[in-house]
Amino acid sequence: GQQVMQIPQYQHVQEGEDFTTYCNSSTTLSNIQWYKQRPGGHPVFLIQLVKSGEVKKQKRLTFQFGEAKKNSSLHITATQTTDVGTYFCADKYGNKLVFGAGTILRVKS
Amino acid sequence: KAGVTQTPRYLIKTRGQQVTLSCSPISGHRSVSWYQQTPGQGLQFLFEYFSETQRNKGNFPGRFSGRQFSNSRSEMNVSTLELGDSALYLCASSLDPVAPQHFGDGTRLSIL
Repeated sequence: GQQVMQIPQYQHVQEGEDFTTYCNSSTTLSNIQWYKQRPGGHPVFLIQLVKSGEVKKQKRLTFQFGEAKKNSSLHITATQTTDVGTYFCADKYGNKLVFGAGTILRVKS
Repeated sequence: KAGVTQTPRYLIKTRGQQVTLSCSPISGHRSVSWYQQTPGQGLQFLFEYFSETQRNKGNFPGRFSGRQFSNSRSEMNVSTLELGDSALYLCASSLDPVAPQHFGDGTRLSIL
């Protein structure tokens, strides 16, 4: 079956530093969705990318979809303590979503 | 608009017992998906229901089953519980199974 791989698994940054998580696949990605799960919370939908090369921004968050639709990234500029949590990507596979394992972000103030 | 409601929030069971978890989706959402989340395995897809029909199923044993009612509410049942079933069970609703998912707070199931 399709696998969506996320790297890194874990990242610990100093507050104010930038952070990037990557979502990769050996096959062509269809529609990438990004979610954030705060510690003790549930995943919350952030954004969806569908077009090759697409770039979307939400305040300090920048989402990109690779030109070949084999990868996607989420970049956070100047992290804050409120950014802590696990970031998941998910792709459509047939009639279901397949989630990556997630990247855990910790921010040291 | 009310969000996805899952009950109960916490459950403690012993091995061999069975459990039923409930999920009320966002009004108007007919697709309900269930996921198992554990620290080592991430979000694992269990199954998805749409208009009372199971349309997709993940790689879980037959002990895991579910159903959806005409009002889109869904239940998940796990029989003959095993220690490895301890996890957070998340329900998500959406307009269709690959649309953005709206998750509930989950039911944390602990097996003793």
